[in-house]
Amino acid sequence: DQQVKQNSPSLSVQEGRISILNCDYTNSMFDYFLWYKKYPAEGPTFLISISSIKDKNEDGRFTVFLNKSAKHLSLHIVPSQPGDSAVYFCAAISSGAGSYQLTFGKGTKLSVIP
Amino acid sequence: KAGVTQTPRYLIKTRGQQVTLSCSPISGHRSVSWYQQTPGQGLQFLFEYFSETQRNKGNFPGRFSGRQFSNSRSEMNVSTLELGDSALYLCASSLGQGAAETQYFGPGTRLLVL
Repeated sequence: DQQVKQNSPSLSVQEGRISILNCDYTNSMFDYFLWYKKYPAEGPTFLISISSIKDKNEDGRFTVFLNKSAKHLSLHIVPSQPGDSAVYFCAAISSGAGSYQLTFGKGTKLSVIP
Repeated sequence: KAGVTQTPRYLIKTRGQQVTLSCSPISGHRSVSWYQQTPGQGLQFLFEYFSETQRNKGNFPGRFSGRQFSNSRSEMNVSTLELGDSALYLCASSLGQGAAETQYFGPGTRLLVL
């Protein structure tokens, strides 16, 4: 049972437009969410994170939105650049009550077309 | 500053053998986490070490073990290898422990079990 789902395996966006990557989760105990970017033959690179007490976090061109009632988070990239072409993973952490769980989605491949 | 390094980069083993992978964190980083990435399961958390102690553990069998040395370098061991252990094994380091700490990933060790 996948607790973190990225339902779109791939996404193509024109350069300069907005890229929206989505992630749904089922475990209401998740209290921290992260996005990573991965280029081929490299390890993932941390992009941005958000605590469950917030609904938005912004860092330059990257903004993460969290909708707890819908158990949904999204990553917005504005404007999209060809160098953003990569696989994006969302991840969720639950760290309460002495237990720890870190779960990743399976990734969405973003292609930004020049 | 040098990034996270992992050795070896590629490894071929046969079923039943055991393997040890090594991870050197970024200088000054005290936390090292290990992940397994496969096409079917995506990225999965194995365990996290901080100050030579395993702090968190994912849902993997006891064949997967690790340790951390006083210089924060970490090793991961998989005993009695199975075909399904073929994967990219990633390690990540961070300054401290906890969800809010930014993790920096190494390039990974690609293990093929025949």
